[in-house]
Amino acid sequence: NAGVTQTPKFQVLKTGQSMTLQCAQDMNHEYMSWYRQDPGMGLRLIHYSVGAGITDQGEVPNGYNVSRSTTEDFPLRLLSAAPSQTSVYFCASSYGGGRYEQYFGPGTRLTVT
Amino acid sequence: GENVEQHPSTLSVQEGDSAVIKCTYSDSASNYFPWYKQELGKGPQLIIDIRSNVGEKKDQRIAVTLNKTAKHFSLHITETQPEDSAVYFCAANPTGNQFYFGTGTSLTVIP
Repeated sequence: NAGVTQTPKFQVLKTGQSMTLQCAQDMNHEYMSWYRQDPGMGLRLIHYSVGAGITDQGEVPNGYNVSRSTTEDFPLRLLSAAPSQTSVYFCASSYGGGRYEQYFGPGTRLTVT
Repeated sequence: GENVEQHPSTLSVQEGDSAVIKCTYSDSASNYFPWYKQELGKGPQLIIDIRSNVGEKKDQRIAVTLNKTAKHFSLHITETQPEDSAVYFCAANPTGNQFYFGTGTSLTVIP
């Protein structure tokens, strides 16, 4: 049981490039989410999904796209990277939505130059 | 949306002393309040949570108290140990699917 896995661990992009951050979980959780963590700002919700085919915006969705084609996977796409998207990104999953324990992945550190 | 404020931002205590971290929230619809611990280079991990129908919850050296009238909740760690050193985040959940996190408290336990 690997829990929540994220790839890559580190990534450097140039402004304007696109990329996809991968997230997978093997706990059969319906709820998955993406956060970004910036110094002094805690974790802020980008997008979340309550099941395959269902996604919704969080607090800071601009510049990011998501889709959920399977229960296991929830990729986060940066369409045109900007320096303001330099951050640490965490994927999380939970059994029953936001009012249950969230299991976080190890994070992806993204730098946009 | 919900606004969660967390204090202090940094906290240093001697080993064996107690540590208290406080959070306030703004949305009275919030009814689930978890606390997460984040060690360096890792993702946050749940250490304790409380729901609005309960005023206090304990788990060994860790306790959380909730005052819904005043809209604040606190984390109490007793008999602190060096391995308690980490960043702690509180959170509130007003809608069922969206968490709002505090800005974090960096706790250092001095041996």
